[in-house]
Amino acid sequence: AQKITQTQPGMFVQEKEAVTLDCTYDTSDPSYGLFWYKQPSSGEMIFLIYQGSYDQQNATEGRYSLNFQKARKSANLVISASQLGDSAMYFCAMREGTRANAGGTSYGKLTFGQGTILTVHP
Amino acid sequence: GAVVSQHPSRVICKSGTSVKIECRSLDFQATTMFWYRQFPKKSLMLMATSNEGSKATYEQGVEKDKFLINHASLTLSTLTVTSAHPEDSSFYICSARRPRNEQYFGPGTRLTVT
Repeated sequence: AQKITQTQPGMFVQEKEAVTLDCTYDTSDPSYGLFWYKQPSSGEMIFLIYQGSYDQQNATEGRYSLNFQKARKSANLVISASQLGDSAMYFCAMREGTRANAGGTSYGKLTFGQGTILTVHP
Repeated sequence: GAVVSQHPSRVICKSGTSVKIECRSLDFQATTMFWYRQFPKKSLMLMATSNEGSKATYEQGVEKDKFLINHASLTLSTLTVTSAHPEDSSFYICSARRPRNEQYFGPGTRLTVT
């Protein structure tokens, strides 16, 4: 079963507008972390934002904010005031907590969604 | 600046040869590093978890004899693709987790086997 789902293969946004990239997840572990990464055409994975399952407030980092709706198991990324340089592939990822990996050496591994290609138009 | 480096960034090798890719955490110690593989416009697939001082943990379907992982120190993990074939051509990315929750990725290595 897919643990992380990104249903938007591609998204388009006008420069300076806001855009929301969807991400839903599935886990029975009460402790988990959610990540968003940006991957430009160069291939490097750029960490954007992190949300812990116990965090009371939605995470924000500059123009990036994470709309965390725990009951719905969604962790959408909101990019405000889009810039041309935001055009890239965006990945949502989840790391499950200690229960799923108790004593295991796989603790900390990330599971990625399929990705969303964002194109910002001038 | 980059906190995880990878070398080489690109490599072309002939079928049947072996290729070593290095992953280094630059300003922190990483007891655990991860190796991913990515096909064009696809998601990252975890290959294995590299543990300093012990054997790597491989994901289901990943041949451990083909993809040798060595985590010799707290800042270096290596992935060796042995007897490479054209189907091994891919983008290989390593990552390391900092003591806090952030997980950073290397810039990736593009392997082409001819």
